Amino acid sequence: DGGITQSPKYLFRKEGQNVTLSCEQNLNHDAMYWYRQDPGQGLRLIYYSQIVNDFQKGDIAEGYSVSREKKESFPLTVTSAQKNPTAFYLCASSILRGGTDTQYFGPGTRLTVL
Amino acid sequence: GQQLNQSPQSMFIQEGEDVSMNCTSSSIFNTWLWYKQEPGEGPVLLIALYKAGELTSNGRLTAQFGITRKDSFLNISASIPSDVGIYFCAGQSLGETSGSRLTFGEGTQLTVNP
Repeated sequence: DGGITQSPKYLFRKEGQNVTLSCEQNLNHDAMYWYRQDPGQGLRLIYYSQIVNDFQKGDIAEGYSVSREKKESFPLTVTSAQKNPTAFYLCASSILRGGTDTQYFGPGTRLTVL
Repeated sequence: GQQLNQSPQSMFIQEGEDVSMNCTSSSIFNTWLWYKQEPGEGPVLLIALYKAGELTSNGRLTAQFGITRKDSFLNISASIPSDVGIYFCAGQSLGETSGSRLTFGEGTQLTVNP
């Protein structure tokens, strides 16, 4: 089946540790995105990438890093510099066509830092 | 930055009632998207709108792209318990290139009482 997968679904880490969240898509989409969602709130953009080996900061990039070595993969690292990392993290992708940007989301990873 | 106001924040309705929610923007959008998110899951795309004035249906859901390009609404007819969730609007501004960021509303939490 085509789609976006995120793993793991739940992740627990100790404070001060870096952690990497996986996002893979087999939709042949060009662009990929990472969002953070806190309880009762909307989505905030962390990083996005339109093409392999290139990415841009979103609104809340501090304390996060990404890479885009392959078209289908866009892992997100939550570093120890992120002051409040506990949140629900969502990955999305979109195909670049005709000036529109219809994004499709993965199932999310809930990160809890103890 | 851009602002997108979504209302209402929450709705409590009886099964069988119709529902209406809307989003307004301070700037012109060239794409409006509506998503539904269930607890612990990623948002699922319901309807995508690409032209001012466009009216699109998906089963019991109907959404319209406002003529001014600054607003959109989503209607749900004859609500059922499985309609429960958070509904998000999202827009892409005129002039933004493909693969760039969307602006998300804060969401409407819908509760349907059987």
